[in-house]
Amino acid sequence: TQLLEQSPQFLSIQEGENLTVYCNSSSVFSSLQWYRQEPGEGPVLLVTVVTGGEVKKLKRLTFQFGDARKDSSLHITAAQPGDTGLYLCAGALVTSYDKVIFGPGTSLSVIP
Amino acid sequence: EAQVTQNPRYLITVTGKKLTVTCSQNMNHEYMSWYRQDPGLGLRQIYYSMNVEVTDKGDVPEGYKVSRKEKRNFPLILESPSPNQTSLYFCASSLNGRPSYEQYFGPGTRLTVT
Repeated sequence: TQLLEQSPQFLSIQEGENLTVYCNSSSVFSSLQWYRQEPGEGPVLLVTVVTGGEVKKLKRLTFQFGDARKDSSLHITAAQPGDTGLYLCAGALVTSYDKVIFGPGTSLSVIP
Repeated sequence: EAQVTQNPRYLITVTGKKLTVTCSQNMNHEYMSWYRQDPGLGLRQIYYSMNVEVTDKGDVPEGYKVSRKEKRNFPLILESPSPNQTSLYFCASSLNGRPSYEQYFGPGTRLTVT
């Protein structure tokens, strides 16, 4: 059973479209990170959210942490081919503070 | 350049032959961790270390050992590898653990056990 669920699992869109991917859990997290991973490489950190309800923007990417700290979303505006990759959410549970749990990822393909 | 390095990048070995995958970071990070990534299962934490001489089990520690004798190094040891340990392995480090766990990942080691 995945402690962190991500949806959709796969997403293929045209350049210029907007999209949202979701990261959900029934557990509470002390913080949550989003990473992007390209084939054959390690994940690269995009953002950390810590406070319930927090919204962070990174150029065309907007990240939100749910009020109850159980879920998060990543919204991409005007997607570009360079956004293609595997998007992973990860978090540390409040009940097992030092372990980090990763979601299975959303594989995004942006077609020119 | 701030980075996490892993060696080797690719390794093919046989069942039962002990091996070590090295991991080193040059950022003076306290927290280090090992993960394996498998299709359909995502990234799963094997072991982590909060600081020198402090290690603890992640979600899938069976068949693996680690040590943290120096702050910069965190080797992963497979005493008797088996085919089910064929996977893509990542080492990661973080300035500190709680609460943010912002991790920097190495390039990965692709291990095949025949």
